[in-house]
Amino acid sequence: NAGVMQNPRHLVRRRGQEARLRCSPMKGHSHVYWYRQLPEEGLKFMVYLQKENIIDESGMPKERFSAEFPKEGPSILRIQQVVRGDSAAYFCASSPSTGTGAPSSGNTIYFGEGSWLTVV
Amino acid sequence: QKEVEQDPGPLSVPEGAIVSLNCTYSNSAFQYFMWYRQYSRKGPELLMYTYSSGNKEDGRFTAQVDKSSKYISLFIRDSQPSDSATYLCATQFYSSASKIIFGSGTRLSIRP
Repeated sequence: NAGVMQNPRHLVRRRGQEARLRCSPMKGHSHVYWYRQLPEEGLKFMVYLQKENIIDESGMPKERFSAEFPKEGPSILRIQQVVRGDSAAYFCASSPSTGTGAPSSGNTIYFGEGSWLTVV
Repeated sequence: QKEVEQDPGPLSVPEGAIVSLNCTYSNSAFQYFMWYRQYSRKGPELLMYTYSSGNKEDGRFTAQVDKSSKYISLFIRDSQPSDSATYLCATQFYSSASKIIFGSGTRLSIRP
């Protein structure tokens, strides 16, 4: 059973370009989460999506960032007009259910290996 | 004030030593407390979680929570070089498992 798949693993963009990060959840998982890890910092929640719906985007920057999880295909985190401060590791996670309650095997969210964005 | 505070380390101990990793948190409403392990350039993986104050043991790992002092600990017995990683403490509310709040992580190195 493949885990959460993220690509690309490494991405280099010049300032002002667009970055697109893709995430395929684990098989059977319909809930996707995006987290960002800045250098020397912990992971910070960005957005929680279900198929075709954004459930919670309280952690998303107000501008330039957007996320989607279409009916078919992977979830995509899109960063427009990237700046140096966007350089970070972006982690996608998925879970089989809503993720409420105890982080037991039924609700645990599983992280992918991350996409490292470098803005030059 | 950060919601979860964690000493970043690095922490270096010899193989076989007992490791103690600690965090403090600020919001008494947090209900679940987790420890994640993250190897270099990899995603975090859940090691253990606890709900109430007290200890929880899993093999060489013991997680401890003291809600009265808002203190979270992870103990690793008989540490191995393969335990070398960054350890992230984390908390969540019952109803917001999607918004896990992480500490900044402690980098641990076990010397053979």
